[in-house]
Amino acid sequence: DAMVIQNPRYQVTQFGKPVTLSCSQTLNHNVMYWYQQKSSQAPKLLFHYYDKDFNNEADTPDNFQSRRPNTSFCFLDIRSPGLGDAAMYLCATSRPSGRAQYFGPGTRLTVL
Amino acid sequence: AQSVTQLDSHVSVSEGTPVLLRCNYSSSYSPSLFWYVQHPNKGLQLLLKYTSAATLVKGINGFEAEFKKSETSFHLTKPSAHMSDAAEYFCVVKGNTGNQFYFGTGTSLTVIP
Repeated sequence: DAMVIQNPRYQVTQFGKPVTLSCSQTLNHNVMYWYQQKSSQAPKLLFHYYDKDFNNEADTPDNFQSRRPNTSFCFLDIRSPGLGDAAMYLCATSRPSGRAQYFGPGTRLTVL
Repeated sequence: AQSVTQLDSHVSVSEGTPVLLRCNYSSSYSPSLFWYVQHPNKGLQLLLKYTSAATLVKGINGFEAEFKKSETSFHLTKPSAHMSDAAEYFCVVKGNTGNQFYFGTGTSLTVIP
């Protein structure tokens, strides 16, 4: 089945220790998104790629970076995680001018 | 600019009774609208979508939504709630340019046995 996969599902890191979250898709969608979702809140868009074209949200902290080496994979790098970065991180894909987004199961990040 | 407003942050219904989750949208053009469901510690699952075809949209798990342009609404309904419907529900509108989607603040549905 075509799908969006996120690894790991749960990630624990230490304050200030860099961490990378992974997303892959078999849908062959051009657009990939990273969202941050804190408890009882709506997902907040961090950035998205349209193919190789990177689109950063104005209020995304510089601490968050992303890489998309190919159509299938996209990575979220948090350079120096703070306690406030503990959240669920959701990856999603869509077609350009697409009719819907398709989400992965999320990675729950804990910062100690 | 596009936006959606979910009118209720929490809805509680008894099992077997109807569900109504309300969403109003703001858009200067004919929008694409979606409802997603999120169970605890899970990703978002697409329930249904409206993309300028039939105004009554049927989705998965017995949910449906009606697009009403005159009322700028896209309310989600289900005739009979099941315990497994307890979750967070998000109404989403797609922007008319670019690839951005705009989320409502969510409605938490509780189903009472």
